[in-house]
Amino acid sequence: GAGVSQSPSNKVTEKGKDVELRCDPISGHTALYWYRQSLGQGLEFLIYFQGNSAPDKSGLPSDRFSAERTGGSVSTLTIQRTQQEDSAVYLCASSPQGTPLHFGNGTRLTVT
Amino acid sequence: GDSVTQMEGPVTLSEEAFLTINCTYTATGYPSLFWYVQYPGEGLQLLLKATKADDKGSNKGFEATYRKETTSFHLEKGSVQVSDSAVYFCALSGGSNYKLTFGKGTLLTVNP
Repeated sequence: GAGVSQSPSNKVTEKGKDVELRCDPISGHTALYWYRQSLGQGLEFLIYFQGNSAPDKSGLPSDRFSAERTGGSVSTLTIQRTQQEDSAVYLCASSPQGTPLHFGNGTRLTVT
Repeated sequence: GDSVTQMEGPVTLSEEAFLTINCTYTATGYPSLFWYVQYPGEGLQLLLKATKADDKGSNKGFEATYRKETTSFHLEKGSVQVSDSAVYFCALSGGSNYKLTFGKGTLLTVNP
């Protein structure tokens, strides 16, 4: 596609369940980022991929959060044992290199 | 650590009014500076950027000048339109750090 694609666009899950969020970056973009946007915190950096490796995962809030990227393309953000404070919009971005320039529309996660 | 402070909103203007959204930053080294815009129901998109002191970024009638002496990157537009209604985010990227640090965003509403 022409832009960064994220799925699902909305996800409602029960507290304690695991969720997977998917990001399809722009083809050929080697850098991929995950951010979280919540009302109380604004935009927060979660993790950065360069190719399939993650040189900076300093923003992951706890060990319940993990992410992987395969084939230098699709990335999956997994949240285990979801909590209500995980409710937010999760944004993915990609770039040819360096700083993120193109963001997806996000996945709105609601934990009930 | 790096930080970005932007004026709190919401900002409400009439069409054709002059717009200024203030942004100041704290960073080590020489960051790149960005303005992103998020239209209702959409993901963030890069509006403009500046990578060194005294650079002026411009796009869609918006401008911002990188002022190192005042550590500022204020966003301006001479005549706003209803379609400019959105949330605007100021951000920086450190010289040796590829992740963005965002301000909290400023909601702009332009009335006809």
